Amino acid sequence: SQQGEEDPQALSIQEGENATMNCSYKTSINNLQWYRQNSGRGLVHLILIRSNEREKHSGRLRVTLDTSKKSSSLLITASRAADTASYFCATGGSNYKLTFGKGTLLTVNP
Amino acid sequence: GAVVSQHPSWVICKSGTSVKIECRSLDFQATTMFWYRQFPKQSLMLMATSNEGSKATYEQGVEKDKFLINHASLTLSTLTVTSAHPEDSSFYICSANPGGPDTQYFGPGTRLTVL
Repeated sequence: SQQGEEDPQALSIQEGENATMNCSYKTSINNLQWYRQNSGRGLVHLILIRSNEREKHSGRLRVTLDTSKKSSSLLITASRAADTASYFCATGGSNYKLTFGKGTLLTVNP
Repeated sequence: GAVVSQHPSWVICKSGTSVKIECRSLDFQATTMFWYRQFPKQSLMLMATSNEGSKATYEQGVEKDKFLINHASLTLSTLTVTSAHPEDSSFYICSANPGGPDTQYFGPGTRLTVL
């Protein structure tokens, strides 16, 4: 079953703008991960944040995690056309399984 | 490092035939591999967990007799779609876990089209 719910489902912005995507989940987690998927391709791991962490940065990416609200956000700063892709959050539990959200389709217009 | 390959990358088959998809961890050993299915414009749905040397664990609603999983070695898991039908057409993605709860490495996916 799909635990994560991303919003928005689709986001269209101009190059240079920031993009924020949100993810909510329902059960307790060990970690939350964000992935990118270009159309028809495999997944690219972007960032992992553990349940005891609140914020993490990687390059132009910033991820926050609020376990009390069971939510996470992914911020992409200074977006580029090459950032156009689908973005998924996935929650990891104690059984090593990942449960993926429905994803956000990000379009960055040049 | 940490590369996972899948073969084939795409396959077209006739209805009623069986198709085998391989998932290999190229530079690490994976005691656990996972198989996902993704329909167009949808998210990844976990199908089963494949453990080396033991039977796979299937998610609810996934027919184990239709989707045969074999994890014969620490670097190879196979998914066989038996008696494939057009509704089985999908993007199948595997991932491999080298150990620990945090890390899964994903393969590039296999696109199956059943005519």
